[in-house]
Amino acid sequence: DSGVTQTPKHLITATGQRVTLRCSPRSGDLSVYWYQQSLDQGLQFLIQYYNGEERAKGNILERFSAQQFPDLHSELNLSSLELGDSALYFCASSVEVTGELFFGEGSRLTVL
Amino acid sequence: GDSVTQMEGPVTLSEEAFLTINCTYTATGYPSLFWYVQYPGEGLQLLLKATKADDKGSNKGFEATYRKETTSFHLEKGSVQVSDSAVYFCALTVYNQGGKLIFGQGTELSVKP
Repeated sequence: DSGVTQTPKHLITATGQRVTLRCSPRSGDLSVYWYQQSLDQGLQFLIQYYNGEERAKGNILERFSAQQFPDLHSELNLSSLELGDSALYFCASSVEVTGELFFGEGSRLTVL
Repeated sequence: GDSVTQMEGPVTLSEEAFLTINCTYTATGYPSLFWYVQYPGEGLQLLLKATKADDKGSNKGFEATYRKETTSFHLEKGSVQVSDSAVYFCALTVYNQGGKLIFGQGTELSVKP
């Protein structure tokens, strides 16, 4: 158990819809990272927050947004969903910016 | 930009065989290097790391040496077990990029009894 909790574990929705994925980092970790894992693209970095502030942005679509709340949990919002957004979305956290990340078990999104 | 390239899988080995998974990188700065492992149905876990040239990371019988001259960080294990079956990811992070990891495409390892 990494200590990072992601909900929901599985989500099935339709094209055009909007979903929210939630992540609770390990106790004490200030950084939260979001990654997308798909068969064709591999593991892609989406966005990072540090203590509530956006720190780094990767290949995140404009239809996607995220935020980190004062209690340090984070949410990833995906809107106007397309078939190609079907993927496993991982959240990870770290206490320092060393690259040693602790990953949750992921949220599997299926868009039909 | 920064990137990581791994040997393609899947790799299938018999139990007790020697394992090598190749990893090379391109980085604009001086990266730290990592191997992460993903067991079926789970998130990624840090396997080992190295933060400077010639450092050797090791854990659970796995080893990898940071080779700056060849920009490589190959993963090795002398005798694999069925329980090592997983997907292995090589990754790097560069100082002043907030600790985000850039991953290779992953190499699936299957160990047969």
